[in-house]
Amino acid sequence: GENVEQHPSTLSVQEGDSAVIKCTYSDSASNYFPWYKQELGKRPQLIIDIRSNVGEKKDQRIAVTLNKTAKHFSLHITETQPEDSAVYFCAASTGYSTLTFGKGTMLLVSP
Amino acid sequence: GAVVSQHPSRVICKSGTSVKIECRSLDFQATTMFWYRQFPKKSLMLMATSNEGSKATYEQGVEKDKFLINHASLTLSTLTVTSAHPEDSSFYICSARDHGSPNTGELFFGEGSRLTVL
Repeated sequence: GENVEQHPSTLSVQEGDSAVIKCTYSDSASNYFPWYKQELGKRPQLIIDIRSNVGEKKDQRIAVTLNKTAKHFSLHITETQPEDSAVYFCAASTGYSTLTFGKGTMLLVSP
Repeated sequence: GAVVSQHPSRVICKSGTSVKIECRSLDFQATTMFWYRQFPKKSLMLMATSNEGSKATYEQGVEKDKFLINHASLTLSTLTVTSAHPEDSSFYICSARDHGSPNTGELFFGEGSRLTVL
């Protein structure tokens, strides 16, 4: 089955800095890669996703890049704000198959 | 986006009792729902895939008789933790895909249910 590795497990940045979270996956058939943000005690919320037919996608301060050859994808957050502090999960799946999640990255943005 | 509602959000029970958690898709039909368990500061661990009108598919290591899943309709799946014990205390989250959504593949999560077994 699919295996998703996520790094780092924790990330501390100063407000205004950029944050990068990286994930690798094992199943070359995976074609859907979402990123979820989860605040403490709340449900995960989709913040951005990318499919295997594109290499990069951007939405305001958030961007995701995908390298199919290397089987890794990354989340980039620019101009970080304290409200960006949360746990971020990457995931991978093939079509309608179940999502396999990474172990999560706790991002802390200090004012 | 699609809305998934989960109830109850918090439940405290005595050891040995059973607890039922409901997951509803409010504005779409979900033939498949997923149940996850999340320990503090840990990732989402898939427990089982709930299929409408058929038996759930459990992940390896998840006890079928302990975690009973019923998916009786296209909008409701239930998870029953039977004879709960303190080690079953956790955050349980359901999710579903809206196959009618243009962004196929996106998973929508319920609010989660925090179970505490005394």
